[in-house]
Amino acid sequence: DVKVTQSSRYLVKRTGEKVFLECVQDMDHENMFWYRQDPGLGLRLIYFSYDVKMKEKGDIPEGYSVSREKKERFSLILESASTNQTSMYLCASLRESGANVLTFGAGSRLTVL
Amino acid sequence: SQQGEEDPQALSIQEGENATMNCSYKTSINNLQWYRQNSGRGLVHLILIRSNEREKHSGRLRVTLDTSKKSSSLLITASRAADTASYFCATDVGGSNYKLTFGKGTLLTVNP
Repeated sequence: DVKVTQSSRYLVKRTGEKVFLECVQDMDHENMFWYRQDPGLGLRLIYFSYDVKMKEKGDIPEGYSVSREKKERFSLILESASTNQTSMYLCASLRESGANVLTFGAGSRLTVL
Repeated sequence: SQQGEEDPQALSIQEGENATMNCSYKTSINNLQWYRQNSGRGLVHLILIRSNEREKHSGRLRVTLDTSKKSSSLLITASRAADTASYFCATDVGGSNYKLTFGKGTLLTVNP
């Protein structure tokens, strides 16, 4: 019954490594989002996509890029990971019509050493 | 930028008691939503209230919205240990980009 799947629950990477966080949804949703969550800061929007190959910057896009080659998959890319990108990353999707209710994945906890 | 702010930051109660969490926001909204997050997991949608609604119920949840004060409250009645989680409000200002803005959350602990 899982609707939004994040491929990795826990990752440990080294500074400077390239990191891919993958997210797949099986609900045929047009819109997909990447948030990061940090203690005391809540959820902050990194990037979102409203269609295949379309993307828009959120509130904190610096140091990140995204890829949406297929409707069901939205990838978050850290080109050169840094320690300040240690965080919980949450992927979400929503359908274009109706209320803007997000369906979240279980999260990916990334540690950059 | 933070739109919604929950209050209190943390709340500890006994099983069977009611829990009330508040959310304040800054700009006009299309709707306001509440989400729940169990420790280390993703968020789960609980309830949505539209700007033209004042109160909404779902099971043991009751949400109110006061647009004149730009505030909302979430009441959980007859709390259970399983209600222990963080609760977030999220505001939708409308428009075409479907963005929600989340607050920092209230950590609710329900003691058995």
